[in-house]
Amino acid sequence: QVQLQESGPGLVKPSQTLSLTCTVSGGSISSGGYYWSWIRQHPGKGLEWIGYIYYSGSTYYNPSLKSRVTISVDTSKNQFSLKLSSVTAADTAVYYCARARSEKDAFDIWGQGTMVTVSS
Amino acid sequence: AIRITQSPSSLSASTGDRVTITCRASQGISSYLAWYQQKPGKAPKLLIYAASTLQSGVPSRFSGSGSGTDFTLTISCLQSEDFATYYCQQYYSYLPEFGQGTKVEIK
Repeated sequence: QVQLQESGPGLVKPSQTLSLTCTVSGGSISSGGYYWSWIRQHPGKGLEWIGYIYYSGSTYYNPSLKSRVTISVDTSKNQFSLKLSSVTAADTAVYYCARARSEKDAFDIWGQGTMVTVSS
Repeated sequence: AIRITQSPSSLSASTGDRVTITCRASQGISSYLAWYQQKPGKAPKLLIYAASTLQSGVPSRFSGSGSGTDFTLTISCLQSEDFATYYCQQYYSYLPEFGQGTKVEIK
């Protein structure tokens, strides 16, 4: 059974870079067939998709965040990562990693989420 | 971008009630719509995909219908564990968009 687990700092200073990692267990990213996404949820608000990566390294980002987002994959560690630069308080949110069966599909497996607060 | 309008934003219901939540897309999305349930402090859980296909392990009291622009999630007989927030999501475009959510509360 595939499981996802987010990790990373819970507090980031304004203007710095937010960095999170999602570790996949119970399955291999490099086996292909799935797209790995980051999704965030501002406190008390709805869900916002950030972007996805395929095991080959191909990515697609939400145009509203594209200039600040980098998603990368490390198949040797079975992990994928999110970097969001120049953060502000508006980036304070719970960040989830999730899996989809194609680049246009529902998200069938989610990590538990990690809260990131942007504050000095 | 394809916008999703979900309604109502909240509703009060009693155990045993039939509950209906609606999502409308700003353009036709065929059946590329999913429904999720989220409980406080937890990640969303996939209930339905392809507008009407029940995800494995999801109780049959949940059902989805619709295609094109109008979609419905129905809970046929509300149980105590169903009090949660529900989101729809379109995946017709390469930019997935979620509805604003519907909070189902106890009457």
